Amino acid sequence: GIQVEQSPPDLILQEGANSTLRCNFSDSVNNLQWFHQNPWGQLINLFYIPSGTKQNGRLSATTVATERYSLLYISSSQTTDSGVYFCAVGANDYKLSFGAGTTVTVRA
Amino acid sequence: DAGVTQSPTHLIKTRGQQVTLRCSPKSGHDTVSWYQQALGQGPQFIFQYYEEEERQRGNFPDRFSGHQFPNYSSELNVNALLLGDSALYLCASSFSQSEQFFGPGTRLTVL
Repeated sequence: GIQVEQSPPDLILQEGANSTLRCNFSDSVNNLQWFHQNPWGQLINLFYIPSGTKQNGRLSATTVATERYSLLYISSSQTTDSGVYFCAVGANDYKLSFGAGTTVTVRA
Repeated sequence: DAGVTQSPTHLIKTRGQQVTLRCSPKSGHDTVSWYQQALGQGPQFIFQYYEEEERQRGNFPDRFSGHQFPNYSSELNVNALLLGDSALYLCASSFSQSEQFFGPGTRLTVL
């Protein structure tokens, strides 16, 4: 199956700072999603981005499918951005394969 | 528009028992997938249901089984519970192979 690697594993930020999370994957994909998992376990959809660039408020994402990576940008971070961020990919099957996640802590 | 719903929220069982978890997909979605998330790890795919049939299965034993009903809702059944089955169980729905949306999960504790 597809291998998904996320980096860094942990990120500590001061409120207002910018950050970049990376997701590398081992094979061609036709589905790539970024999620934020809140402390109660709910996975919140951030982006559905198998290729290209998207922006939503302070968050943006870029996927370069030919080079098998995706980046999630968080600008002007807030304490509510804290949590675990997951990248998940799908190929010519039906499942999502998840990375191990990046734990983000934003300090006031 | 209600999102994906799951029940129950929490469940405590003892080893050897059986458990049934339930999931209702988002309106307009016809596909339901189940994932298991152990503490500190990413979710792992269990199986996916489409048109009331299991379409794909992950690396889970036969103790894990499921069902999809004509209204697209789904159940996950786990027999002969082991301590290692303690986890957060997540249901996701989608329209065919498009973007998946997750429910709030069921936290299962096996004692």
